[in-house]
Amino acid sequence: LAKTTQPISMDSYEGQEVNITCSHNNIATNDYITWYQQFPSQGPRFIIQGYKTKVKNEVASLFIPADRKSSTLSLPRVSLSDTAVYYCLVGRQAGGSYIPTFGRGTSLIVHP
Amino acid sequence: DGGITQSPKYLFRKEGQNVTLSCEQNLNHDAMYWYRQDPGQGLRLIYYSQIVNDFQKGDIAEGYSVSREKKESFPLTVTSAQKNPTAFYLCASRTGAASYEQYFGPGTRLTVT
Repeated sequence: LAKTTQPISMDSYEGQEVNITCSHNNIATNDYITWYQQFPSQGPRFIIQGYKTKVKNEVASLFIPADRKSSTLSLPRVSLSDTAVYYCLVGRQAGGSYIPTFGRGTSLIVHP
Repeated sequence: DGGITQSPKYLFRKEGQNVTLSCEQNLNHDAMYWYRQDPGQGLRLIYYSQIVNDFQKGDIAEGYSVSREKKESFPLTVTSAQKNPTAFYLCASRTGAASYEQYFGPGTRLTVT
């Protein structure tokens, strides 16, 4: 299973764009990248998934370079409510099973 | 509303007692997962099930047991063999199709004294 490395913590201010980069040097050909957001004492919430290039939805963008050894979650114009832990996961379906591995995540604190 | 429910939200037990955590989903998802989260840590996989009547051990299965008799239900039993059972337990489900999105329940915080 591919291991992921993220910064332990980041700080930002309201209205700024935040980019969180995840390193996954041994990502396999069929691995997909997913990102989750977790608030204290709640279950994680899916944000976005991607395989290569750029993916965008209503809350975030995901940038994946050609070598796929890293990925960057971009949160536009963050607000105080975006203060949370963000997890990068790498995994794939194998024989019907999907077993992703959660790292320790990045604790994002948004300041007024 | 479709979703995953876990009950209870808080659970207190004495050391040496087995305890069962409930997880129910009405999303018609095939795959279900149990995770454990300790303070300041990421989630660690305990057990997972891809289909009814089948389940596999995750990274930290020792001291835990599960069953999957119905598609909607995936209860987790924390046995007295689990050395450090106090933790936040999260259940998740996934369609089992092309999406890698997992849907998580609200979690159960278990405290064993």
